Amino acid sequence: QVQLVQSGGEVKKPGASVTVSCKVSGYSLTNHAISWVRQAPGQGLEWMGWISGNYGNTNYAQKFRGRVTMTTDTSTSTTYMDLRGLRSDDTAVYYCAREIVDGTSFFDYWGQGTLVTVSS
Amino acid sequence: SYELTQPPSVSVSPGQTASIPCSAHKLGEKYACWYQQKPGQSPVLVIYRDTRRPSGIPERFSGSNSGDTATLTISGTQAMDEAVYFCQAWDSNTIIFGGGTKLTVL
Repeated sequence: QVQLVQSGGEVKKPGASVTVSCKVSGYSLTNHAISWVRQAPGQGLEWMGWISGNYGNTNYAQKFRGRVTMTTDTSTSTTYMDLRGLRSDDTAVYYCAREIVDGTSFFDYWGQGTLVTVSS
Repeated sequence: SYELTQPPSVSVSPGQTASIPCSAHKLGEKYACWYQQKPGQSPVLVIYRDTRRPSGIPERFSGSNSGDTATLTISGTQAMDEAVYFCQAWDSNTIIFGGGTKLTVL
């Protein structure tokens, strides 16, 4: 069955960088894009961007351009999300999600989430 | 930028029908989908392409989308349906989420 398994929680200081990984199984990473979505405590969902599974093309939400990098390693079926220049308002649960493109885009499978805490 | 608007909360009695709206300019010209999120859990897709249910989602979940409003309808609401529901659309190569609606079953 399809699974997206993310790396464990992180605690970072302001200004630092964090890398969150998302390992997929049950399907080929090259067949679907992966999006990253974050959720601050008690808040809604915020889309950060996507990376294609085959060529590694990316599309970042304007808010995160210049601060986020998404990469993919097809040999290990793993996608990575790097966020730099962390601030306290980057404290959130970060999710990876498999994106389906079918006249629109939506997410049919999600990772379990990774809590990133930014605190001095 | 394109924004999706949801009411913060909706209440429903068990066994009754719950309707959760999601509004935006000409939303009916795009596709909407819906996610259910329970506390401490990842979101779950319950409706996609306006009206379609993924396998494993109960038939009591249905969706519609016309004009400026997409609506998630839960018929015969059960206590287990208590959750936050997010609508989502795609516009100009960007994914947009609504702010979420907390459904209370009481």
